[in-house]
This record gives sequence, structure tokens and C-alpha cells, in this order.
Amino acid sequence: EVQLVESGGGLVQSGGSLRLSCAASGFSFSSYWMTWLRHTPGKGPEWVASMNQDGGERYYMDSMKGRFTISRDNAKNSLYLQMNSLRAEDTAVYYCARETRAVFDPWGQGTLVTVSS
Amino acid sequence: EIVMTQSPATLSVSPGERVTLSCRASQSVSTNLGWYQQKPGQAPRLLIYGASTRATGIPARFSGSGSGTEFTLTISSLQSEDFAVYFCQQYKNWPPGYTFGQGTKLEIK
Repeated sequence: EVQLVESGGGLVQSGGSLRLSCAASGFSFSSYWMTWLRHTPGKGPEWVASMNQDGGERYYMDSMKGRFTISRDNAKNSLYLQMNSLRAEDTAVYYCARETRAVFDPWGQGTLVTVSS
Repeated sequence: EIVMTQSPATLSVSPGERVTLSCRASQSVSTNLGWYQQKPGQAPRLLIYGASTRATGIPARFSGSGSGTEFTLTISSLQSEDFAVYFCQQYKNWPPGYTFGQGTKLEIK
């Protein structure tokens, strides 16, 4: 069974940092693009960042450039998101997802990030 | 940025009914469109990609259509487990630049 499990969320003050992790299992992790998305209740999901199989290509939503860094460790079947200079508007549930044909399937269960001002 | 607009925001329907959800793109995305279902407390689940191709394991009562700027998701006969929020997502400008609609919530009438 394909499974993605996020961890690392929590409460952080504005300007602070967090590192999210996503543990993958049940598929050949090193063969897929991987993505971070986030979702605030009442709004549509928001794409955050994507990375290709070997880490040579990384893309970010404009508002995250310079603050967030996506990375992966294929030996550990893990995806990461380093988030710095956090703002109140970054408060959301963060999901990792496997990317195939530019759609996301599956998504993990999510980890909540709350940024207090 | 391509803006995705879904309508209506909320739809009250009865089990067994046929329902059609709409998604409009601010510019043409060809058939680079996906649909997702999200139930309370769960992550979104991919239903449709390429505007009309069902993802693995998705029941045949779900169908997608459209191209360019206008898309629809149809559920032929609503089951109790289908009451959820549905999102569309465009991926024309990949990578990067994916955008989602704000969602349509299906409620039990």
C-alpha cells in the first residue's frame, strides 16, 4: 500500500522556523516527483513546492521562494520542507503528495502548522 | 496565474440524484485538469485527471468532461459516501504553477 506520513508540524511564532518530514512507503520513492501542498479550511488547496526524482529540479510558489526549501533523501524514502521566516498566513495543514502526470496521488494525512503573531 | 473558479460553492442534493459540478479556468488549460474529493478529517483524493480519465479505483459513477476553460464533474447517482468537498486543479503550466479551485461542498438535502 502506498503511504505518506508527514510529521514536524506545530505551533511557532512569527519569524520562526519549522522542518516538515514526509516518510514514504509502498512505492519506488526515487522514481517520482514529490510535492508539498497546504490547505486552509474554507479555501482551495495551495501548491507549495515540487522536486524531481534526483533533486536537480525544484520549483516553488512565488510567495515561498527564499523562505521554504524542499529536499529529499532517496536512501531514506523521505521528503522534507524547511520553512523559515514563517508568517501568520503560512498557517495551514501541510501535505506531501506523490506527483504523477502533474496531479497528486496520494496525499499524506497532513501535519498542522500554526504560526502565531 | 491561472485562476480556477468552481460553482456553486454549496450544493444540497439527495442520495440517488445525478449531480454536476462546474469548474472554470481564467484561460485555456486544454485538458490539463484534475478533480479531487475531500471528506472531513481526510486528505484530498484524486478522482479524475486529464479532464476525463478516472484515477485507479474510482467508481464509474464519477465522470469528468470539458476542455479549454469549462469543465464538469458528474456523479451519476449520489451515494452517501459521496457527500464531501470537491476541488478542481489545473496543471497547464507544469512545472510549476498548479492552481486549485476553492471547492464545491455537496450536502445532503
